[in-house]
Amino acid sequence: DAGVIQSPRHEVTEMGQEVTLRCKPISGHNSLFWYRQTMMRGLELLIYFNNNVPIDDSGMPEDRFSAKMPNASFSTLKIQPSEPRDSAVYFCASSTGTGHEKLFFGSGTQLSVL
Amino acid sequence: SQQGEEDPQALSIQEGENATMNCSYKTSINNLQWYRQNSGRGLVHLILIRSNEREKHSGRLRVTLDTSKKSSSLLITASRAADTASYFCATEAFLNAGNMLTFGGGTRLMVKP
Repeated sequence: DAGVIQSPRHEVTEMGQEVTLRCKPISGHNSLFWYRQTMMRGLELLIYFNNNVPIDDSGMPEDRFSAKMPNASFSTLKIQPSEPRDSAVYFCASSTGTGHEKLFFGSGTQLSVL
Repeated sequence: SQQGEEDPQALSIQEGENATMNCSYKTSINNLQWYRQNSGRGLVHLILIRSNEREKHSGRLRVTLDTSKKSSSLLITASRAADTASYFCATEAFLNAGNMLTFGGGTRLMVKP
């Protein structure tokens, strides 16, 4: 398996623009997570899906952020409008969803909002 | 918010020495996991220890868990330059029905050849 695939690897955009990050989880995994990593705040869980249904989105910073999982093999994280403080590395991770096991992370998307 | 806090934040050792990293957390847990992150890459799972376990080994890694002190340690024996990375502990809170992990701030380990 190719692992968790994220795209793009790098994104540079201007403040106010819409940004869409994409994730393909490992085939057969039922749980998907979006994390954000910054130097100041470390790794923060933004949202968690199980069987394509959002279970916990309490980590989503504000209404500018939205996430979808239209099917078991694809998820998006959208920021609209983007702000400089959104600059971070965004990671997608997946797990089998059977409970209490390890996460498999993608390589991340480095987002820079100018 | 960060459930786990690693100590030290940074560690520099010579190749062949042992590296010990500590993690403290605040609430009761189902399990505690350690991950490694190389610069510019995603996190890679190293080891998982359940709340009813006290010690676990995997190759050159040894993890201990003290639930009474709400702390864990990761020991890397006979370190190699390739072990240079950031190491994170992550906790799954007790009664968490899913797989939601809360990560600490990490320890940056540098192993000098």
